[in-house]
Amino acid sequence: DAKTTQPTSMDCAEGRAANLPCNHSTISGNEYVYWYRQIHSQGPQYIIHGLKNNETNEMASLIITEDRKSSTLILPHATLRDTAVYYCIVRPLTTDSWGKLQFGAGTQVVVTP
Amino acid sequence: DAGVIQSPRHEVTEMGQEVTLRCKPISGHDYLFWYRQTMMRGLELLIYFNNNVPIDDSGMPEDRFSAKMPNASFSTLKIQPSEPRDSAVYFCASWAPQEPFTQYFGPGTRLTVL
Repeated sequence: DAKTTQPTSMDCAEGRAANLPCNHSTISGNEYVYWYRQIHSQGPQYIIHGLKNNETNEMASLIITEDRKSSTLILPHATLRDTAVYYCIVRPLTTDSWGKLQFGAGTQVVVTP
Repeated sequence: DAGVIQSPRHEVTEMGQEVTLRCKPISGHDYLFWYRQTMMRGLELLIYFNNNVPIDDSGMPEDRFSAKMPNASFSTLKIQPSEPRDSAVYFCASWAPQEPFTQYFGPGTRLTVL
């Protein structure tokens, strides 16, 4: 069962903000929203995660709606190196699912000069 | 830390041959995961270990695949005999139950079975 829905692809101009949406309408109260990205020929890389509050780190910002049914990953100033597939994943932090991740198809983001 | 280390980075073999992929997790991480990625099926979890013990191998495609973790710093994924449909990128990841509760992936092994 797909827990998240993401657009298949997005284009973004270099230097502009990239806003990546994710729908997770069936999210449970104990599930976190995690974002990863996979640059071509590399392993997935953690970006950010959150439960219900907005989060920011050196890579990106995560905006989660009040009802938690959707979220947006924001890359504030996209660079060519941000071209990658971005995965939105919801997961509980319970003992029977420690560390397990289920990857969907993700969003292919292409940053153009 | 050097991160998760995988070897070899590329492997080309002929159908029927045995293939062994290797992984060294991040020191102190007591969970280790093996994934396979193909264009058709995306990223799939094959098996994961906790404290060197296999916990869930439901993703292992068939008996030709086996994985071991003889100690906390080493794991292998073996395919015998290999088939062309096993061609994929195989990733190893490790994890520890501490913030940010994320898996750290290795660079992957690109396997081509001719």
